[in-house]
Amino acid sequence: GAGVSQTPSNKVTEKGKYVELRCDPISGHTALYWYRQSLGQGPEFLIYFQGTGAADDSGLPNDRFFAVRPEGSVSTLKIQRTERGDSAVYLCASGDGSAKNIQYFGAGTRLSVL
Amino acid sequence: AQSVTQLGSHVSVSEGALVLLRCNYSSSVPPYLFWYVQYPNQGLQLLLKYTSAATLVKGINGFEAEFKKSETSFHLTKPSAHMSDAAEYFCAVSHTGTASKLAFGTGTRLQVTL
Repeated sequence: GAGVSQTPSNKVTEKGKYVELRCDPISGHTALYWYRQSLGQGPEFLIYFQGTGAADDSGLPNDRFFAVRPEGSVSTLKIQRTERGDSAVYLCASGDGSAKNIQYFGAGTRLSVL
Repeated sequence: AQSVTQLGSHVSVSEGALVLLRCNYSSSVPPYLFWYVQYPNQGLQLLLKYTSAATLVKGINGFEAEFKKSETSFHLTKPSAHMSDAAEYFCAVSHTGTASKLAFGTGTRLQVTL
């Protein structure tokens, strides 16, 4: 597609459940980023992939959060044992991996944990 | 660690008036600096970027920003506001010379009134 696609656009789950959020980057982009945006805040970095490997996962808040990018394209962010505090908009961005560091963002997935 | 501070969570201007959104950065090394705009229920769109070339950077939609090292600032301006400029604006910083995470400010909501 022309832009970064994230699915679903909205996800409602119950506390303790497992969720997966998907990101389809712009075709050919080697860099992929996940951010989390809480209400009234700026996006906070979670993890960055260069190709299939996580180049920087320093933003993952704890071991309940995990992300994969097995073929270097689509990425899935996985959250286990969800908590109400995980409620936020999860943003994905992709880039060409160059020093320009221009990141193109998707519309996000709004996660609500009840 | 790199960070940015956006002064003023809400700014209101009249249509046709000057827009000034403030951003100050903290970085121990020369940074890349960005301004992004976010419209409701949409992803972030890049307005402009400073990459250590020209200190005055022109972006889309008539916006520009000036990098001032002595003031550690990267304020966003537009000579004449339009109603369509109403949105959330985020300043961000990253390392230079490599694809890497962005550190965002908390955002400034711009309101444009008639």
